[in-house]
Amino acid sequence: GEDVEQSLFLSVREGDSSVINCTYTDSSSTYLYWYKQEPGAGLQLLTYIFSNMDMKQDQRLTVLLNKKDKHLSLRIADTQTGDSAIYFCAETISGYALNFGKGTSLLVTP
Amino acid sequence: DTEVTQTPKHLVMGMTNKKSLKCEQHMGHRAMYWYKQKAKKPPELMFVYSYEKLSINESVPSRFSPECPNSSLLNLHLHALQPEDSALYLCASSQGAVNTEAFFGQGTRLTVV
Repeated sequence: GEDVEQSLFLSVREGDSSVINCTYTDSSSTYLYWYKQEPGAGLQLLTYIFSNMDMKQDQRLTVLLNKKDKHLSLRIADTQTGDSAIYFCAETISGYALNFGKGTSLLVTP
Repeated sequence: DTEVTQTPKHLVMGMTNKKSLKCEQHMGHRAMYWYKQKAKKPPELMFVYSYEKLSINESVPSRFSPECPNSSLLNLHLHALQPEDSALYLCASSQGAVNTEAFFGQGTRLTVV
């Protein structure tokens, strides 16, 4: 399928906010997702947003959705060293399978 | 219980071996998936089972053979693999309705020698 685009790397200092951006391809995706993957581990669902929403907040996480531009972002407030991981955005294809972006490696430095 | 359990965690196999990867969930989910993830790449969809029937096969070579014995179990049978098949194999499940959240297992790290 077409590529879901993400920037590959992001480095932030502990305590700062991180913003990870994503451009997806399928305007019919009902849900859009953010997954976290730590080294050697599987994928952990962080949050998702329904396509009729512009914003969703969940503790330190804020998701913003711009459907017109097919742009999705994930903001992590007060970023901690334990947030260092790869973050994948994903759209649904064929109704319920996932098409992932290439992933953004987030490095949090003390 | 939001857990998807995969076994084994690690597997090394020769190109003439036959092995199976197993995946189990007890969330009552009716859709189950196999994804393949190469190093530093995103997961790529291989197969989707919906209500125990294969609904999507993403042009995967026949040396990978999925099986869904019941609604809680998903297997991936491996035979005559190539070294380039070495990857992390991820199982996921979702409630089965359109566009619902998928839960992933920790994966099986497969090395083909």
